[in-house]
Amino acid sequence: TAGITQAPTSQILAAGRSMTLRCTQDMRHNAMYWYRQDLGLGLRLIHYSNTAGTTGKGEVPDGYSVSRANTDDFPLTLASAVPSQTSVYFCASSGEGEAAEAFFGQGTRLTVV
Amino acid sequence: GQNIDQPTEMTATEGAIVQINCTYQTSGFNGLFWYQQHAGEAPTFLSYNVLDGLEEKGRFSSFLSRSKGYSYLLLKELQMKDSASYLCAVPDSNYQLIWGAGTKLIIKP
Repeated sequence: TAGITQAPTSQILAAGRSMTLRCTQDMRHNAMYWYRQDLGLGLRLIHYSNTAGTTGKGEVPDGYSVSRANTDDFPLTLASAVPSQTSVYFCASSGEGEAAEAFFGQGTRLTVV
Repeated sequence: GQNIDQPTEMTATEGAIVQINCTYQTSGFNGLFWYQQHAGEAPTFLSYNVLDGLEEKGRFSSFLSRSKGYSYLLLKELQMKDSASYLCAVPDSNYQLIWGAGTKLIIKP
Protein backbone atom coordinates (compact mmCIF):
# COMPACT_ATOMS: atom_id res chain seq x y z
CA THR A 1 0.00 0.00 0.00
CA ALA A 2 1.54 3.29 -1.11
CA GLY A 3 -0.42 5.62 1.18
CA ILE A 4 0.84 9.11 0.44
CA THR A 5 3.59 9.81 -2.04
CA GLN A 6 5.44 13.10 -2.32
CA ALA A 7 7.81 14.22 -5.04
CA PRO A 8 10.52 15.26 -5.22
CA THR A 9 12.24 13.98 -2.07
CA SER A 10 14.57 16.95 -2.07
CA GLN A 11 15.24 19.98 -4.20
CA ILE A 12 17.57 22.95 -4.38
CA LEU A 13 15.79 25.91 -5.94
CA ALA A 14 17.07 29.31 -6.98
CA ALA A 15 15.29 32.25 -5.40
CA GLY A 16 12.67 33.71 -7.68
CA ARG A 17 11.98 30.42 -9.43
CA SER A 18 8.66 28.61 -9.21
CA MET A 19 8.16 25.03 -8.18
CA THR A 20 5.35 22.57 -7.60
CA LEU A 21 5.58 19.93 -4.89
CA ARG A 22 3.50 16.91 -5.77
CA CYS A 23 1.37 14.86 -3.40
CA THR A 24 -0.75 11.82 -4.24
CA GLN A 25 -2.72 9.55 -1.94
CA ASP A 26 -4.45 6.25 -2.65
CA MET A 27 -6.57 6.01 0.50
CA ARG A 28 -9.52 7.96 -0.89
CA HIS A 29 -9.31 10.41 1.99
CA ASN A 30 -11.32 13.58 1.57
CA ALA A 31 -9.08 15.77 3.72
CA MET A 32 -5.55 16.68 2.68
CA TYR A 33 -3.00 19.06 4.14
CA TRP A 34 0.32 20.73 3.47
CA TYR A 35 2.62 21.49 6.39
CA ARG A 36 6.07 22.93 6.72
CA GLN A 37 8.39 21.84 9.50
CA ASP A 38 11.21 24.04 10.67
CA LEU A 39 13.73 23.38 13.43
CA GLY A 40 12.36 24.38 16.82
CA LEU A 41 8.87 24.96 15.51
CA GLY A 42 5.93 22.64 15.28
CA LEU A 43 4.36 21.56 12.04
CA ARG A 44 2.64 24.61 10.59
CA LEU A 45 -0.34 24.30 8.29
CA ILE A 46 0.07 26.01 4.93
CA HIS A 47 -3.12 25.04 3.10
CA TYR A 48 -5.71 22.36 3.44
CA SER A 49 -8.55 20.81 1.47
CA ASN A 50 -11.56 19.18 3.08
CA THR A 51 -12.76 17.66 -0.18
CA ALA A 52 -12.03 17.73 -3.89
CA GLY A 53 -12.77 21.14 -5.38
CA THR A 54 -12.29 23.09 -2.13
CA THR A 55 -9.22 24.52 -0.44
CA GLY A 56 -8.53 26.68 2.59
CA LYS A 57 -5.71 28.76 4.05
CA GLY A 58 -3.79 27.56 7.06
CA GLU A 59 -1.52 29.37 9.45
CA VAL A 60 1.22 30.29 6.95
CA PRO A 61 -0.31 30.48 3.42
CA ASP A 62 1.59 33.46 1.99
CA GLY A 63 3.75 32.60 -1.00
CA TYR A 64 2.01 29.26 -1.57
CA SER A 65 -0.98 28.09 -3.57
CA VAL A 66 -2.76 24.77 -3.88
CA SER A 67 -5.38 23.09 -6.02
CA ARG A 68 -7.55 20.02 -5.52
CA ALA A 69 -8.87 18.94 -8.88
CA ASN A 70 -9.55 15.38 -7.68
CA THR A 71 -9.51 13.31 -4.49
CA ASP A 72 -6.04 11.85 -4.96
CA ASP A 73 -3.83 14.83 -5.81
CA PHE A 74 -2.98 17.94 -3.84
CA PRO A 75 -0.06 19.88 -5.37
CA LEU A 76 1.59 22.80 -3.61
CA THR A 77 3.06 25.60 -5.74
CA LEU A 78 5.62 28.21 -4.80
CA ALA A 79 5.18 30.98 -7.36
CA SER A 80 8.43 32.82 -6.65
CA ALA A 81 10.58 31.09 -4.06
CA VAL A 82 12.36 33.01 -1.30
CA PRO A 83 15.05 31.72 1.11
CA SER A 84 12.59 31.78 4.03
CA GLN A 85 10.69 28.99 2.27
CA THR A 86 13.62 26.66 2.91
CA SER A 87 11.99 23.93 4.96
CA VAL A 88 10.78 20.35 5.02
CA TYR A 89 7.33 20.07 3.53
CA PHE A 90 4.92 17.32 4.51
CA CYS A 91 1.71 16.39 2.78
CA ALA A 92 -0.88 14.52 4.83
CA SER A 93 -4.37 13.14 4.50
CA SER A 94 -7.00 11.98 6.95
CA GLY A 95 -10.30 10.19 6.94
CA GLU A 96 -13.60 11.30 8.45
CA GLY A 97 -14.26 12.12 12.09
CA GLU A 98 -12.61 13.96 14.96
CA ALA A 99 -10.41 11.01 15.88
CA ALA A 100 -9.18 10.38 12.35
CA GLU A 101 -5.43 10.04 12.29
CA ALA A 102 -3.39 11.86 9.73
CA PHE A 103 -1.15 9.91 7.37
CA PHE A 104 1.95 11.70 6.17
CA GLY A 105 4.08 11.52 3.07
CA GLN A 106 7.82 11.08 3.46
CA GLY A 107 8.46 14.80 3.07
CA THR A 108 10.18 17.10 0.60
CA ARG A 109 13.32 18.88 1.74
CA LEU A 110 13.45 22.19 -0.10
CA THR A 111 16.40 24.55 -0.05
CA VAL A 112 15.98 27.98 -1.63
CA VAL A 113 19.28 29.68 -2.44
CA GLY B 1 -5.88 31.42 20.60
CA GLN B 2 -4.24 28.04 20.68
CA ASN B 3 -0.97 27.26 22.42
CA ILE B 4 0.82 23.99 23.01
CA ASP B 5 3.89 23.51 25.18
CA GLN B 6 6.20 20.53 25.37
CA PRO B 7 9.74 20.15 26.71
CA THR B 8 12.30 20.53 23.96
CA GLU B 9 14.42 17.54 24.82
CA MET B 10 14.54 14.66 27.30
CA THR B 11 17.06 11.92 27.98
CA ALA B 12 16.28 8.50 29.38
CA THR B 13 17.96 5.13 29.82
CA GLU B 14 17.19 1.98 27.89
CA GLY B 15 14.74 -0.18 29.84
CA ALA B 16 13.47 2.71 31.94
CA ILE B 17 10.19 4.68 31.89
CA VAL B 18 9.80 8.23 30.64
CA GLN B 19 6.89 10.67 30.77
CA ILE B 20 6.59 13.39 28.14
CA ASN B 21 4.26 16.22 29.10
CA CYS B 22 2.12 18.46 26.96
CA THR B 23 0.06 21.43 28.09
CA TYR B 24 -2.39 23.16 25.83
CA GLN B 25 -4.71 26.13 25.69
CA THR B 26 -7.62 25.95 23.27
CA SER B 27 -10.86 27.86 22.79
CA GLY B 28 -12.70 24.55 22.55
CA PHE B 29 -11.58 20.96 22.90
CA ASN B 30 -11.82 18.25 20.26
CA GLY B 31 -9.30 15.74 21.48
CA LEU B 32 -5.53 15.47 21.66
CA PHE B 33 -3.16 13.50 19.45
CA TRP B 34 0.33 12.14 19.98
CA TYR B 35 2.60 11.36 17.06
CA GLN B 36 6.09 9.89 16.85
CA GLN B 37 8.64 11.21 14.38
CA HIS B 38 12.02 9.58 13.82
CA ALA B 39 14.75 11.82 12.50
CA GLY B 40 14.37 12.41 8.78
CA GLU B 41 11.04 10.62 8.63
CA ALA B 42 7.35 11.47 8.61
CA PRO B 43 5.26 11.66 11.79
CA THR B 44 3.23 8.55 12.59
CA PHE B 45 0.14 8.33 14.78
CA LEU B 46 0.46 7.03 18.33
CA SER B 47 -2.71 7.92 20.20
CA TYR B 48 -5.85 10.02 20.47
CA ASN B 49 -7.49 11.05 23.75
CA VAL B 50 -10.79 12.86 24.05
CA LEU B 51 -11.91 11.73 27.52
CA ASP B 52 -10.06 12.14 30.79
CA GLY B 53 -7.92 9.28 31.93
CA LEU B 54 -5.25 6.89 30.80
CA GLU B 55 -5.31 4.97 27.53
CA GLU B 56 -2.85 2.11 27.35
CA LYS B 57 -1.51 0.70 24.13
CA GLY B 58 1.31 -1.75 24.68
CA ARG B 59 4.43 -0.02 25.99
CA PHE B 60 2.91 3.39 25.29
CA SER B 61 0.15 5.05 27.29
CA SER B 62 -1.41 8.47 26.97
CA PHE B 63 -3.13 10.45 29.70
CA LEU B 64 -5.49 13.40 29.46
CA SER B 65 -6.88 15.90 31.95
CA ARG B 66 -9.20 18.32 30.20
CA SER B 67 -9.72 20.48 33.29
CA LYS B 68 -5.97 21.05 33.56
CA GLY B 69 -5.27 21.32 29.84
CA TYR B 70 -2.66 18.62 30.29
CA SER B 71 -1.62 15.39 28.68
CA TYR B 72 1.33 13.08 28.94
CA LEU B 73 2.76 10.22 26.95
CA LEU B 74 4.24 7.43 29.04
CA LEU B 75 6.79 5.13 27.45
CA LYS B 76 7.74 1.97 29.34
CA GLU B 77 10.60 -0.49 28.86
CA LEU B 78 12.40 1.97 26.67
CA GLN B 79 14.18 0.65 23.63
CA MET B 80 16.81 2.36 21.52
CA LYS B 81 14.33 2.55 18.65
CA ASP B 82 12.17 4.84 20.81
CA SER B 83 14.69 7.61 20.20
CA ALA B 84 12.55 10.06 18.25
CA SER B 85 10.59 13.27 18.57
CA TYR B 86 7.14 13.07 20.12
CA LEU B 87 4.60 15.59 18.87
CA CYS B 88 1.47 16.71 20.69
CA ALA B 89 -1.38 18.18 18.61
CA VAL B 90 -4.89 19.49 19.22
CA PRO B 91 -7.55 20.43 16.67
CA ASP B 92 -8.62 24.04 16.48
CA SER B 93 -12.21 25.20 16.07
CA ASN B 94 -12.03 24.28 12.37
CA TYR B 95 -10.64 20.83 13.24
CA GLN B 96 -7.24 21.71 11.81
CA LEU B 97 -4.42 20.37 13.96
CA ILE B 98 -2.25 22.78 15.94
CA TRP B 99 1.10 21.16 16.71
CA GLY B 100 3.54 21.51 19.54
CA ALA B 101 7.21 21.89 18.62
CA GLY B 102 7.86 18.33 19.72
CA THR B 103 9.98 16.69 22.39
CA LYS B 104 13.19 15.06 21.24
CA LEU B 105 13.73 11.90 23.29
CA ILE B 106 17.27 10.57 23.52
CA ILE B 107 17.69 7.03 24.79
CA LYS B 108 21.04 6.05 26.26
CA PRO B 109 22.25 2.46 26.75
